[in-house]
Amino acid sequence: SAVISQKPSRDICQRGTSLTIQCQVDSQVTMMFWYRQQPGQSLTLIATANQGSEATYESGFVIDKFPISRPNLTFSTLTVSNMSPEDSSIYLCSVDPAGVYGYTFGSGTRLTVV
Amino acid sequence: SQQGEEDPQALSIQEGENATMNCSYKTSINNLQWYRQNSGRGLVHLILIRSNEREKHSGRLRVTLDTSKKSSSLLITASRAADTASYFCATDASNFNKFYFGSGTKLNVKP
Repeated sequence: SAVISQKPSRDICQRGTSLTIQCQVDSQVTMMFWYRQQPGQSLTLIATANQGSEATYESGFVIDKFPISRPNLTFSTLTVSNMSPEDSSIYLCSVDPAGVYGYTFGSGTRLTVV
Repeated sequence: SQQGEEDPQALSIQEGENATMNCSYKTSINNLQWYRQNSGRGLVHLILIRSNEREKHSGRLRVTLDTSKKSSSLLITASRAADTASYFCATDASNFNKFYFGSGTKLNVKP
């Protein structure tokens, strides 16, 4: 299965600032997915990122707040913009390299906004 | 959650007992997956079951799928303290290769 390197692993940020989270995959994958996990909650899909096209956002998530880049088949970034304390969550990227063995997840970015 | 619910929300059992978690979902699916998440850690994929399968086993795990009821169950037999974690089911929308997660069951196995 794929191996994902996600960074930063955690950060504490001031409200009103932005943070960019990076995910690097050790193999080429068509689709990458970004999830948010609020404290004590389940995972919520933010968007799907395909290389060479605009990301597709789920209901409740917009590009201005969560811009995503996907410059090639092994890398993606998610930016959390103009942060507020409500954005404090764990953000995870994932891939489904073979469609057979299930998603592989990055280790997550624990974001605290103060 | 975006797709489904799990019950119970929390389950506490003694080591050696079996643990059963249930997942219900809303729309037709191609696949259903179960994941484990230890506190503060990333997710680990446990098992994938396809919509044309009814039961699947992996070690001490047994997953069933009833597409007519839009539900699945995860059974962990002979539980161990190390099984203490949150367990999530995830389903795909039938025409998209993306997964939505259920609300999760927090399992506590007491030694």
